[in-house]
Amino acid sequence: KNQVEQSPQSLIILEGKNCTLQCNYTVSPFSNLRWYKQDTGRGPVSLTIMTFSENTKSNGRYTATLDADTKQSSLHITASQLSDSASYICVVTRSYIPTFGRGTSLIVHP
Amino acid sequence: DGGITQSPKYLFRKEGQNVTLSCEQNLNHDAMYWYRQDPGQGLRLIYYSQIVNDFQKGDIAEGYSVSREKKESFPLTVTSAQKNPTAFYLCASNRVPGEKLFFGSGTQLSVL
Repeated sequence: KNQVEQSPQSLIILEGKNCTLQCNYTVSPFSNLRWYKQDTGRGPVSLTIMTFSENTKSNGRYTATLDADTKQSSLHITASQLSDSASYICVVTRSYIPTFGRGTSLIVHP
Repeated sequence: DGGITQSPKYLFRKEGQNVTLSCEQNLNHDAMYWYRQDPGQGLRLIYYSQIVNDFQKGDIAEGYSVSREKKESFPLTVTSAQKNPTAFYLCASNRVPGEKLFFGSGTQLSVL
């Protein structure tokens, strides 16, 4: 059973709009939680990392939040651009072993 | 530029044939990994290696084999025993387990 669940499975937004992707996990305890961006036909690239004690982490227009009590994380994208079209993967690491979510496919339309 | 290079980008396998996917890194990372990605599923670990001449099975190792004769190289062989090999294969590395993973660009394997 996948212990990292992401929602929505897919999302379509207009360029310039904001969006929020969700990640719920049951992996516990965990070392860190990362969000990766994967362009079609390419390997994932790390966007953010958060440890248990961190609540928020920003990387440009990307802001990740973490609520360790409810075991939820979100990735907020501000002022979306066409280049944001990609799959976004939540990864929770426990004892050096990462567990990958299935990803959210984001499409940004002009 | 430092990074991970996978080749080929696209690969076709005939029934009963073994094929080998190449993965080379110049990041001086000790740990290397092979993942399989199927549509709508999360990445699944095939094999990993934390040091030269040593490797361990992941969650879906059946039908695959690897070697780690050099720190920089971690080739994956998809054997004829793997009955459903069509997938996107990703190689990754990190300095030590648990740190950020650096991924290659992937190899799309299809069956003729």
